[in-house]
Amino acid sequence: GAGVSQTPSNKVTEKGKYVELRCDPISGHTALYWYRQSLGQGPEFLIYFQGTGAADDSGLPNDRFFAVRPEGSVSTLKIQRTERGDSAVYLCASSSTGSSTDTQYFGPGTRLTVL
Amino acid sequence: AQSVTQLGSHVSVSEGALVLLRCNYSSSVPPYLFWYVQYPNQGLQLLLKYTSAATLVKGINGFEAEFKKSETSFHLTKPSAHMSDAAEYFCAVSDEGTGGYQKVTFGTGTKLQVIP
Repeated sequence: GAGVSQTPSNKVTEKGKYVELRCDPISGHTALYWYRQSLGQGPEFLIYFQGTGAADDSGLPNDRFFAVRPEGSVSTLKIQRTERGDSAVYLCASSSTGSSTDTQYFGPGTRLTVL
Repeated sequence: AQSVTQLGSHVSVSEGALVLLRCNYSSSVPPYLFWYVQYPNQGLQLLLKYTSAATLVKGINGFEAEFKKSETSFHLTKPSAHMSDAAEYFCAVSDEGTGGYQKVTFGTGTKLQVIP
């Protein structure tokens, strides 16, 4: 079956602009995660959704970052007033239930470049 | 909070040689541990996971890892490196986040180079 997909694969924007990054999880997976991976680092947790609700958004760096999952499937990560420091690869992952032993399945990521 | 430390940001091995990628964890409770592989411009793919069953865990592509509580280690090995193993490898530990969900913390990664 289809894996996790993310669009766009690359996004170049100018400082101060607004961007939206989309994640399409594996069908039936209730748990969805967003991570940010900076150059030379491992993925860092941003936010976790269980169904439609954001169960843990403690990883969002500031209030310029926001994410939604209105129907419990597709999720959108929104970044307002982008800054050069936001440049990174944004990864989305989904798992069946979110339990501690689940396997998270990752999408290919969106590479965001803020000029 | 749980954490993992990967020793060596870059490792080079000859094709056919043993691969050993090191990972040590810090955890106050029995951890769940994972190894993921990331090929260039691709997402992470699970190689194997330890969830408190057998301490020697076998994964895909001939990789395995052994959980050693006394050493707080979960090193990844493969007897014979193949050119296709060149990638970045991430060790990760899973905790229970707010509400009991799986919160994964990743190491900084080890890039494996395979020399022909």
